[in-house]
Amino acid sequence: QKEVEQNSGPLSVPEGAIASLNCTYSDRGSQSFFWYRQYSGKSPELIMFIYSNGDKEDGRFTAQLNKASQYVSLLIRDSQPSDSATYLCAVSMRFGAGTRLTVKP
Amino acid sequence: DAGVIQSPRHEVTEMGQEVTLRCKPISGHDYLFWYRQTMMRGLELLIYFNNNVPIDDSGMPEDRFSAKMPNASFSTLKIQPSEPRDSAVYFCASSFGSAETQYFGPGTRLLVL
Repeated sequence: QKEVEQNSGPLSVPEGAIASLNCTYSDRGSQSFFWYRQYSGKSPELIMFIYSNGDKEDGRFTAQLNKASQYVSLLIRDSQPSDSATYLCAVSMRFGAGTRLTVKP
Repeated sequence: DAGVIQSPRHEVTEMGQEVTLRCKPISGHDYLFWYRQTMMRGLELLIYFNNNVPIDDSGMPEDRFSAKMPNASFSTLKIQPSEPRDSAVYFCASSFGSAETQYFGPGTRLLVL
């Protein structure tokens, strides 16, 4: 079992819709959770981090963490074509394989 | 302030040759990470350092891979001898604290023929 698992996608949503990205992890002792965005040919860049159970909102992005279920998600509201990228879930320093998101105009 | 710097940005070499990748972390960061990214395996953690000391190298695939951090501002990842299956993008990242945001360099695209 991989330490951090994501649905590889691709996930396609229309412009203006909500995109939902999910991630599960195996280490119950994990304390830090991150979402990175990676455009094709570029390096990963941080979108959000979350340390506590519940929701954390930053603009159009909301991270959700449920430690009991070992589950972390990222919601992108009002999706834009510029959000089209691969989204990487990181638990501590371990990364998932990423979910490729395409937002269609 | 400069971000993480990696060199070279692209490397093409022949099987059996030695390859050395270089990284300069962000000044003041105490953690440095080396990752490898491929389509098949995603982003894999190879090794990380804390205050120049290697902490976990369990991700290093084989003895052909070695990494050093002689000082706080420089690290190398060496592959000797290189093989075609080593072709990937190698990222260096640094952070202030192990559980904090990592800042990635632009990566080195390695192609071993």
